[in-house]
Amino acid sequence: KAGVTQTPRYLIKTRGQQVTLSCSPISGHRSVSWYQQTPGQGLQFLFEYFSETQRNKGNFPGRFSGRQFSNSRSEMNVSTLELGDSALYLCASSQEETQYFGPGTRLLVL
Amino acid sequence: GQNIDQPTEMTATEGAIVQINCTYQTSGFNGLFWYQQHAGEAPTFLSYNVLDGLEEKGRFSSFLSRSKGYSYLLLKELQMKDSASYLCAVRDKGGAGSYQLTFGKGTKLSVIP
Repeated sequence: KAGVTQTPRYLIKTRGQQVTLSCSPISGHRSVSWYQQTPGQGLQFLFEYFSETQRNKGNFPGRFSGRQFSNSRSEMNVSTLELGDSALYLCASSQEETQYFGPGTRLLVL
Repeated sequence: GQNIDQPTEMTATEGAIVQINCTYQTSGFNGLFWYQQHAGEAPTFLSYNVLDGLEEKGRFSSFLSRSKGYSYLLLKELQMKDSASYLCAVRDKGGAGSYQLTFGKGTKLSVIP
């Protein structure tokens, strides 16, 4: 089976812009979770989607949003980008307990 | 909320054994994971413990004590390629009957010749 894929892999944006990141889960996995990883804070949970519904949400501002499509692919959007949003954004898919991560999208906000 | 603690950095010698500890506090514990993350790469799954005891998988073993809120990852016969960050993650109940994974900040292991 193909692993989790994420696009784009790298992205440079400027403050105030918005960005959309995409994640395709492992075939058959219906749960997709998103994380932000920074050197100072480590991996922090953003939200989880299951069958097109957001089931869980972490402690991030409303500028961070997401959605999931009927084929389980997911997107996350960050509006009004801030310098502090520079990070590696990881998505992970799961069928049961174990989450499998994609390669991530590295976002740099200038 | 959750509190997960693990050492920030460790150094060990090639061929040796190293133990990476993780302590946690949570209200709805439903399992503990260990992930390995090489620099610039995604985390990869190593082990999952939901019951007390030791789970062995080749050179890697993971131990869990739920009553003590404690786990460790044991790496034997260390190789240079084991140099990576090791992330401890606790699964507990989130919303809508789901479970949420919370990660520690990771332990950066350096294996030296």
